[in-house]
Amino acid sequence: DAGVTQSPTHLIKTRGQQVTLRCSPKSGHDTVSWYQQALGQGPQFIFQYYEEEERQRGNFPDRFSGHQYPNYSSELNVNALLLGDSALYLCASSGRVTYEQYFGPGTRLTVT
Amino acid sequence: LAKTTQPISMDSYEGQEVNITCSHNNIATNDYITWYQQFPSQGPRFIIQGYKTKVTNEVASLFIPADRKSSTLSLPRVSLSDTAVYYCLVGDRPRGFKTIFGAGTRLFVKA
Repeated sequence: DAGVTQSPTHLIKTRGQQVTLRCSPKSGHDTVSWYQQALGQGPQFIFQYYEEEERQRGNFPDRFSGHQYPNYSSELNVNALLLGDSALYLCASSGRVTYEQYFGPGTRLTVT
Repeated sequence: LAKTTQPISMDSYEGQEVNITCSHNNIATNDYITWYQQFPSQGPRFIIQGYKTKVTNEVASLFIPADRKSSTLSLPRVSLSDTAVYYCLVGDRPRGFKTIFGAGTRLFVKA
């Protein structure tokens, strides 16, 4: 049973560019949450998707957007990248009745 | 959302038992307590979860007093590989809620 997968593993972008990160949830899970984790800090909640809609959103600007597909996989898009967007981006999946989240390995984004 | 408070860091030696306590004074009736472990540049890994009393699995125990305003993660006989950040989370099912991570507790296990 594959766990949560994310791609790419690492990414280097230039300020002002746009980036798309991808996530496939654990088998049987329908809910995907995205987090940003800066160095030395805990993960910060960006938003959550289920039933192909954004259901919850953290304190992130509209430059951060997402999508969920019918197979429950999800994308995180960040426009007009800033240096401060450099971080580890984590995807976590959960089920309708589960209490724990399963995290992927993350995508390390570096903005130069 | 129930806020959690944990020690910023702890040191231990190999073979010792480590107890990390988390305070969550405004925990709600429906909230569960979940602990995650995170190694550098990896996603958090679920360790254990509980609602009340004591829960034990193959890697840890979780002690929750009757008032549920705190919880203690117990790691028996730690090894160097247990050096990591440990997060205590309190909340209902993730679906439909914003999961809030604190700063966590940095555990450093020495030889």
